[in-house]
Formats: sequence, structure tokens, C-alpha cells
Amino acid sequence: ELKVEQNPLFLSMQEGKNYTIYCNYSTTSDRLYWYRQDPGKSLESLFVLLSNGAVKQEGRLMASLDTKARLSTLHITAAVHDLSATYFCAVDLVEATGKSTFGDGTTLTVKP
Amino acid sequence: DTEVTQTPKHLVMGMTNKKSLKCEQHMGHRAMYWYKQKAKKPPELMFVYSYEKLSINESVPSRFSPECPNSSLLNLHLHALQPEDSALYLCASSQEVIPYYGYTFGSGTRLTVV
Repeated sequence: ELKVEQNPLFLSMQEGKNYTIYCNYSTTSDRLYWYRQDPGKSLESLFVLLSNGAVKQEGRLMASLDTKARLSTLHITAAVHDLSATYFCAVDLVEATGKSTFGDGTTLTVKP
Repeated sequence: DTEVTQTPKHLVMGMTNKKSLKCEQHMGHRAMYWYKQKAKKPPELMFVYSYEKLSINESVPSRFSPECPNSSLLNLHLHALQPEDSALYLCASSQEVIPYYGYTFGSGTRLTVV
């Protein structure tokens, strides 16, 4: 059974600071996704990471994937209040296409 | 059109009611999904349809009945639900079942069972 662990689960940070969210998973996979969810809203796709060493950046967010370590990171640079949300990583089983397992999410609060 | 549209946005139903949730996409995606999300929890996969055929059923109770009438439309029929079924129901789609371009989620239906 695939297990996906995110940490931290809660993150409070000040504007302008940097921080990293970690996503570890338990079995082989080369498809990992990051999503953002605002309270009461749906999931917004942020990044699709499909190979070892993949790195993608959008604005103040950068995601990377190390399939050998079974680890993905979401790095936040110079946080702003608008980044406050819950961030989920999700991993697809290689042998069960279309079956995403989500981490528990990291609730990020950026304070002025 | 790059959206997945879900209707209704909110639904309140009694335990003896029958209702349906609807999901529609016009992106030509061949895989569609139903997820259930309880408050402050991650989404949980319920069903996967690939090329209009059910390919994954995550041991969902039979009071939830999915239907895929065509490649653009996905329904979730609800019958005799329990209060614990109250949740946000999310529909998603992807170009193929191996989603090299990721998944697109709809805005969800917030279901309350009374």
C-alpha cells in the first residue's frame, strides 16, 4: 500500500521568509503532483513532476522530485500572504494508473 | 474550454432521498474520477472511469452509483445516504489514465445529508 507523508502539517511563517514542505512516499513512483486548496474551494494543480530530478517553478513556488529518495519538496521563496492555503502532494502508483494517493496536506499561514 | 464543471454546487438531501451529482468536461479527456473529501482531510479516490468504462472502484458502498453516459459526462447517483457521507465531492479528469499533464479538478459539490 502506498503511503504519502507530508511535513510539516501546519506551517506559520512571516512574509518574506523562505520555507520548504516535504513529501515522502513509500513505494516506487515517477508521477507526483502538487496542489493548492483554499478553504471551501477545489484543488488547483500547481506542478506535475514526472521524472527523477524534475524541477518546476512558478512564481514564489518551486517543486522538485527525487525518485530514488522517494521525496519531493515544495520550496516557498519570500512568502506573501496570498500563498496562505493548504498544499497537498499526491503520488500515482506505477502499477495502478489513475490512482492518486494524497498526503495529509500542509496548511500554510503567512503572517505580515 | 479547460474546465471541469460540477453541478449542483451545494446539495442537502435526506437519508431517504435519491439525488445525482453531475460532472462535465469538454477537453477531450478520456479518464474521469470521483473523489470524496471530508473537512480538513485529503481527497479520497472513489471511482475511475477510463474510456467510459469503470476501471477502479475503491470499495465504495453501493449507495454511491457512478455512471459515465459519454466521454464528456460523469454522474454520481446517490441513494439512502448516511449523515457521515456529508462531504465535498470532487470530480476530476485527465487526458489519459496515465496523466502526463496532470489532473483537472472541478469546483466540487458540497453535500449535506440530514
